[in-house]
Amino acid sequence: RKEVEQDPGPFNVPEGATVAFNCTYSNSASQSFFWYRQDCRKEPKLLMSVYSSGNEDGRFTAQLNRASQYISLLIRDSKLSDSATYLCVVSTHPGGGNKLTFGTGTQLKVEL
Amino acid sequence: DAGVIQSPRHEVTEMGQEVTLRCKPISGHNSLFWYRQTMMRGLELLIYFNNNVPIDDSGMPEDRFSAKMPNASFSTLKIQPSEPRDSAVYFCASSLSHVHSNQPQHFGDGTRLSIL
Repeated sequence: RKEVEQDPGPFNVPEGATVAFNCTYSNSASQSFFWYRQDCRKEPKLLMSVYSSGNEDGRFTAQLNRASQYISLLIRDSKLSDSATYLCVVSTHPGGGNKLTFGTGTQLKVEL
Repeated sequence: DAGVIQSPRHEVTEMGQEVTLRCKPISGHNSLFWYRQTMMRGLELLIYFNNNVPIDDSGMPEDRFSAKMPNASFSTLKIQPSEPRDSAVYFCASSLSHVHSNQPQHFGDGTRLSIL
């Protein structure tokens, strides 16, 4: 079983739609959680951190359920520029470092 | 501000040759990470350093791969001898890490490696 599992998609949605991505993780010792975004042939970039109480950043809302080991990302009023691959990421801190484990990503295509 | 700097951006070489990838982390960051990304396996952590010391190299595929961090501002990932299955995009990332921190990692542009 992969440490971080995501539906690979692709999710093809019309502009203005609301879309939700889900992710599960297996390591109960995971301490921090993130969503990264990766555009085609580019490096991953941090989209937002995910906090236990849930958090919102503009059109993006992230939720964390530690009991179920489940993370979600909701995108409202999707834009063409939201088209990318969204990577679910969990972090542990062995040896004082910050080890990230990435899911394989969910591809989103926003269409006119 | 300068981000994570990787070189070369692209490398094409024949199998059996030695390949050296280079990375300069963001100044002040104390953790450095090497990743490999392929279509089949996604983004995989190869090795990471904290304060120039290798902490976890369990992701290094085999003895052909080695990584060093001689100082806080430079790291190399070496493949010797290279094989076609090593073809991938190799990313370096850095972060400011503490035991209880939640700091994100910042990625370089990556090195696209093709082994013929």
